[in-house]
Amino acid sequence: DIQMTQSPSSLSASVGDRVTITCQASQDIGNYLTWFQQKPGKAPKLLIYDASNLETGVPSRFSGSGSGTDFTFTINSLQPEDIATYYCQQYDNVPTLTFGGGTKVEIK
Amino acid sequence: EVQLVQSGAEVKKPGESLKISCKGSGYIFTSFWIGWVRQMPGKGLEWMGSIYPGDSDTRYSPAFRGQVTISADKSISTAYLQWSSLKASDTAMYYCARGYSNTCILDYWGQGTLVTVSS
Repeated sequence: DIQMTQSPSSLSASVGDRVTITCQASQDIGNYLTWFQQKPGKAPKLLIYDASNLETGVPSRFSGSGSGTDFTFTINSLQPEDIATYYCQQYDNVPTLTFGGGTKVEIK
Repeated sequence: EVQLVQSGAEVKKPGESLKISCKGSGYIFTSFWIGWVRQMPGKGLEWMGSIYPGDSDTRYSPAFRGQVTISADKSISTAYLQWSSLKASDTAMYYCARGYSNTCILDYWGQGTLVTVSS
């Protein structure tokens, strides 16, 4: 089974900061990676698919990069409404899916 | 508009059975996977399994195989997640989500069903 290791598990940053989250796959998954945002009490929301493609309607301050086993998710200029937990998820061997452990983003 | 509407919150006792539902609308239900995701209190997301309603092909995470049953009734565009004997450790929020095309990207999610198992 493919394992996804996400770091850090939590972070605190100031409004306007650049925030970076990493996700590492236990084997090569190409670019078959998504990033989700989950706000408290809400269902997850798809932000990025195919490692770097922004879902329609998602603000351009969010971005993703990487391929193979190492991936990065970035929020350029953190906003108060970005407070949430972010998850990576691989879909290389569909329909079997694996999520990373999540990164909780807070405002300093 | 694509929508997934899940059944309401449940409170059950250990040992009881339960079936929760996820009704899809606004798209061709038989052409997309439906995945189920568990989120235990204060914890992360766990993929449980998925079903392709078109032919009922069903796959399970090894962690959930034998613990739950996933099914679908394509005549009413509804997928199900069921337990035959609940445990306290099944207490969690359960989400269904649509798996887009052959990539199974989870693009639309239900609102979640909270299941509480307590004696």
